[in-house]
Amino acid sequence: QKEVEQNSGPLSVPEGAIASLNCTYSDRVSQSFFWYRQYSGKSPELIMSIYSNGDKEDGRFTAQLNKASQYVSLLIRDSQPSDSATYLCAPQRGSQGNLIFGKGTKLSVKP
Amino acid sequence: DVKVTQSSRYLVKRTGEKVFLECVQDMDHENMFWYRQDPGLGLRLIYFSYDVKMKEKGDIPEGYSVSREKKERFSLILESASTNQTSMYLCASTPGRDYGYTFGSGTRLTVV
Repeated sequence: QKEVEQNSGPLSVPEGAIASLNCTYSDRVSQSFFWYRQYSGKSPELIMSIYSNGDKEDGRFTAQLNKASQYVSLLIRDSQPSDSATYLCAPQRGSQGNLIFGKGTKLSVKP
Repeated sequence: DVKVTQSSRYLVKRTGEKVFLECVQDMDHENMFWYRQDPGLGLRLIYFSYDVKMKEKGDIPEGYSVSREKKERFSLILESASTNQTSMYLCASTPGRDYGYTFGSGTRLTVV
């Protein structure tokens, strides 16, 4: 089983729609979870963190965490063409504390 | 804003050369990391450090070493560069265990 699994995409959504990005992880001890956005040719940029089960909202972004199912997701409301990027899920490794990155989901928002 | 600076954006080196990649952060962060990113393989952890003069191996440390003599600086060393070390190298820092990382802009290294 891979440590972090994400659908590679591309996920294509029309402008104004909700984009839903999903991630599963294998480390049951993980306590902290992060979402990064990476534009082509750029380095990853932190956009959301979540530590407790449930939803966390920040502007157009909502992160959802279910530790029992080892599942974390990111919703982007009112998607814009500028949201087109690769989104990386990164749970914290329970034993060492460093982040394990998924390979990312490529999102394309069509005008 | 936290700034993580990597000394070179692009680097071309010859096989067998010793290569130094430098990373400096300006926010007194305790923890620093080196990753490489390759198409289809994602981000893979090479080495990390939670304190000055401390280092821990990540998932792919072979062929690499690191140095952290000062808190703000974390250097990645390729002892004898090989073509399979051609990659994008990303440095990151964080103030503590449960915080997200801030990444540098990356160094694209080509070994010929």
